[in-house]
Amino acid sequence: GAVVSQHPSWVICKSGTSVKIECRSLDFQATTMFWYRQFPKQSLMLMATSNEGSKATYEQGVEKDKFLINHASLTLSTLTVTSAHPEDSSFYICSAEGLGATNEKLFFGSGTQLSVL
Amino acid sequence: DQQVKQNSPSLSVQEGRISILNCDYTNSMFDYFLWYKKYPAEGPTFLISISSIKDKNEDGRFTVFLNKSAKHLSLHIVPSQPGDSAVYFCAAGTFSKFYFGSGTKLNVKP
Repeated sequence: GAVVSQHPSWVICKSGTSVKIECRSLDFQATTMFWYRQFPKQSLMLMATSNEGSKATYEQGVEKDKFLINHASLTLSTLTVTSAHPEDSSFYICSAEGLGATNEKLFFGSGTQLSVL
Repeated sequence: DQQVKQNSPSLSVQEGRISILNCDYTNSMFDYFLWYKKYPAEGPTFLISISSIKDKNEDGRFTVFLNKSAKHLSLHIVPSQPGDSAVYFCAAGTFSKFYFGSGTKLNVKP
């Protein structure tokens, strides 16, 4: 089946530094990728929709200058948390839209736990 | 109002046997369903997902079953191993938003 690889799975960084998270579709081309964020005991919320070769579409309340999304190829999207602060500590997960063997459309990465000290 | 419920807070299973974790949801519009595993002091790890067009998805020892009419999904782990001991969360939703259950703590006894 289709696989989405997300890296790193766990990152700890100092406040003020930037962190890049990669999301790769390994065996299919993903024209659209989604980035989600989950706070403890809360729902997984869509942050932005990333389309290859164009600017990402951000959900209301998500700072586009803080969460930079790049989707330069059909297999790679990156999320960069710029000048991270402790309140950015969260679980981030990507998903990619593609056609699997059974016409499934959405495949998820394994997630990244970000801890900002 | 909880949209996703895991009614069993804990489950204890003998090593080698099957673990069955259950999850119920209320919104018939949900079309993607996920299972996560979480160890203490670690972030959640994505396990397996299923879309509403399927009723079963397998990945190694893990199988997720979806019963749309009953708005119920389950995760089967066969055979269960002590390393599977963790808290398991299910999530249900659409592209834009997923709701999580409160988790089931699985203990696999050697």
